[in-house]
Amino acid sequence: EIVLTQSPATLSLSPGERATLSCRASQSVSSFLAWYQQKPGQAPRLLIYDASNRATGIPPRFSGSGSGTDFTLTISSLEPEDFAIYYCQQRGNWPPLTFGGGTKVEIK
Amino acid sequence: VQLVETGGGLVQPGGSLRLSCAASGFTFSTYGMNWVRQTPGKGLEWVSTVSGSISSTYYADSVKGRFTISRDNSKNTLFLQMSSLTADDTAVYYCAKSRTGVASDFDFWGQGTLVTVSS
Repeated sequence: EIVLTQSPATLSLSPGERATLSCRASQSVSSFLAWYQQKPGQAPRLLIYDASNRATGIPPRFSGSGSGTDFTLTISSLEPEDFAIYYCQQRGNWPPLTFGGGTKVEIK
Repeated sequence: VQLVETGGGLVQPGGSLRLSCAASGFTFSTYGMNWVRQTPGKGLEWVSTVSGSISSTYYADSVKGRFTISRDNSKNTLFLQMSSLTADDTAVYYCAKSRTGVASDFDFWGQGTLVTVSS
């Protein structure tokens, strides 16, 4: 089973700052990694798929990069609505499909 | 796209429950469908996947032999039959659409239905 480790667990930033979130896989998942955003009381929302492709309707301030075992989600300039929990998920080696433990982006 | 889960509730340990997910807004039969659950302690956990037309099924080890995923393409509905439930199965269960193929990420999610296993 592929284990995804996200860091940091919590990121405290101010609106307008750049956010850099990391997801590391225990073995290669090629480029088959997705990122989700989840707000309290809501279902996760797909942001990025296959490491670097924005899902439909996702603003360009969200970008993804990486391949193999190391991946990054970058939010270029935080908007108030971006404060949430972010999860990565791999589909490169399954079953099972696995998720990371999440990074909470909170207002500093 | 809309996914609406129903069927959650309180069930005793060892009991059974059937979840349903009504889908609309896309050609249901051509997409894999999934159940994903979420607990405060364990985060997001993939539970099961069923393929589109031939209904191949896949399960997490934690539910294999106890849960059965199925679909009715004529009614655009996904199901999860859960049995031998334990406290560890307590979670919000989401129905999620596969974006591509079977081993996929999930481009649409339902609002979730809470399953609580407790005496």
